Amino acid sequence: DTGVSQDPRHKITKRGQNVTFRCDPISEHNRLYWYRQTLGQGPEFLTYFQNEAQLEKSRLLSDRFSAERPKGSFSTLEIQRTEQGDSAMYLCASSLTGTANEKLFFGSGTQLSVL
Amino acid sequence: AQTVTQSQPEMSVQEAETVTLSCTYDTSESDYYLFWYKQPPSRQMILVIRQEAYKQQNATENRFSVNFQKAAKSFSLKISDSQLGDAAMYFCAYRSFDFGNEKLTFGTGTRLTIIP
Repeated sequence: DTGVSQDPRHKITKRGQNVTFRCDPISEHNRLYWYRQTLGQGPEFLTYFQNEAQLEKSRLLSDRFSAERPKGSFSTLEIQRTEQGDSAMYLCASSLTGTANEKLFFGSGTQLSVL
Repeated sequence: AQTVTQSQPEMSVQEAETVTLSCTYDTSESDYYLFWYKQPPSRQMILVIRQEAYKQQNATENRFSVNFQKAAKSFSLKISDSQLGDAAMYFCAYRSFDFGNEKLTFGTGTRLTIIP
């Protein structure tokens, strides 16, 4: 169990550029979640997958955001035409459903700064 | 929609003392889960303790315990014998019991400082 890993740890980009983040969940976990955390706030839900199916998307996920989990393993979150308001930490989490005490494991996040 | 409120942006406690962090929530559901997560400077959210709303008994995990008052919609975290490693942001979170609605709703957090 190597935990949830996210890449990159930091990303600095210019406004208008596209960025893509990657999340590798714990290998046997079928659920994968994306959250966004801005300074001084708690994480806010963006979207989640069960295996490769995207089951829910938040209103926060504008048309510029897209998430995929092509083979039910790793996931990518892409932001097109970044804006300064997109600056935040993007957290990924995974879990295994059906267990008696389902637990969510978080990665260390990708910190995005849009200049 | 559910909301979670943490009214203490910052708290401090002397090492080895006890501190209580407050959390209130609003929901119309009768079954749900409540959590406390810790976020140290490494940024990784770590589950501290979990409470099922249908359970009368307050959850405990070693030095961590909760005071769950369902009628008052209150869920406080007590940390006993505080240690330097407890310094972190603490987030209270709510999750619906309904299948297909498993997202967490977080509060704004409480920054806990441990004074040596």
